[in-house]
Amino acid sequence: GENVEQHPSTLSVQEGDSAVIKCTYSDSASNYFPWYKQELGKRPQLIIDIRSNVGEKKDQRIAVTLNKTAKHFSLHITETQPEDSAVYFCAASKGSNYKLTFGKGTLLTVNP
Amino acid sequence: DGGITQSPKYLFRKEGQNVTLSCEQNLNHDAMYWYRQDPGQGLRLIYYSQIVNDFQKGDIAEGYSVSREKKESFPLTVTSAQKNPTAFYLCASSIFPTAYYGYTFGSGTRLTVV
Repeated sequence: GENVEQHPSTLSVQEGDSAVIKCTYSDSASNYFPWYKQELGKRPQLIIDIRSNVGEKKDQRIAVTLNKTAKHFSLHITETQPEDSAVYFCAASKGSNYKLTFGKGTLLTVNP
Repeated sequence: DGGITQSPKYLFRKEGQNVTLSCEQNLNHDAMYWYRQDPGQGLRLIYYSQIVNDFQKGDIAEGYSVSREKKESFPLTVTSAQKNPTAFYLCASSIFPTAYYGYTFGSGTRLTVV
């Protein structure tokens, strides 16, 4: 089955700096890659996703890049703010499937 | 509450008891899922269901049971066979057959053994 590795497990940055979280996947047939943000004690929420027919997608301060050849994708957050502090999960899925395989998460701390 | 409701928010279980966690969605989603979350362990899949009256085991199904009698509902029972049930439980739903639009999660149930 699919396996998703996520790094780093914790990340601490100063407010205003950029943060990058990386994930690798094992199944070359995977073609949908969402990212979720989970604030402490709350539900994970979808923040951005990318499909395998594009290499990059941006939404204001966040962006996701995908390298299908290397089977890895990354989340980039620019101009970080304290409210970006949360656990971030990457995931992968095949388009014909219904199940997401999640990475183990990255705890991002943005220091004021 | 985002279209998917979990109850209760907090649940306490005594040793040897079975408890049932509720998950209801009004999104008309076909697929539903249960995940367990422990610190540093990420999201681990317990059970999932694509259609009514059908469900499959996930990665950590031992000690848990589910039913899917209605499209809107996917309750999870934590049985006494689950030796370490203290965790945060998340229910989710999605469009089937693709996960192209991701999951919608409930707000979770925190289960504690007392």
